[in-house]
Amino acid sequence: QVQLVQSGAEVKKSGASVKISCKTSGYTFTRYYMHWVRQAPGQGLEWVAKINPDGGATAYPQRLRGRVTMTADTSTSTVFMELSSLTSEDTAVYFCARDAGGTYDTLTGYFEFWGQGSLVTVSS
Amino acid sequence: EIVLTQSPGTLSLSPGERATLSCRASQSVAITYLAWYQQKPGQAPRLLLHGASSRATGIPERFSASGSGTDFTLTITRLEPEDFAVYYCQQFGDSRTFGQGTKVEVK
Repeated sequence: QVQLVQSGAEVKKSGASVKISCKTSGYTFTRYYMHWVRQAPGQGLEWVAKINPDGGATAYPQRLRGRVTMTADTSTSTVFMELSSLTSEDTAVYFCARDAGGTYDTLTGYFEFWGQGSLVTVSS
Repeated sequence: EIVLTQSPGTLSLSPGERATLSCRASQSVAITYLAWYQQKPGQAPRLLLHGASSRATGIPERFSASGSGTDFTLTITRLEPEDFAVYYCQQFGDSRTFGQGTKVEVK
């Protein structure tokens, strides 16, 4: 069965960077896009990043471009998300999510499997 | 960016009642590129449906989706106790954005 297991909670100071991980199993890693989605306390969901693990091509929303970097390690079937220049507005639970569509499918961009979430707290 | 606006913010209903949740897009979205999720406290979201009622694995038939253009609806025909949660719509036709959520609570 598909499993996404994320790294633990992080506490960072404003201006610092954070890098969290998501180890996948139960499917062929390079055949599905992976994403990060975040949720600030008591708030809704926000898409953060996307990667094609087969080759490493990425996409980010305009508002985070330049601060977020998503990478994939095919040897361990793990994806990473690094966010720099942290502010209190980045305090959130960060979820990794596997796309419902494969990298050769035309219908992709929605999220079928989710990790358990990693809380990132930014303090001043 | 396509903005999704969900209404109402909170829906107070009793088990067995019908729930109708709305999702309005700031520009036209093909229903093929719309998905709905359920989230319970302390849990990750769970995919319910995408497109015109393509239910995810294990999702019961009481969940259905409809709509076109800018107006979409998630319907739960008869609420079960486990259905009380927050529901999000998401579009993936132009990047990916979510609505702000509708909470379905016990009346």
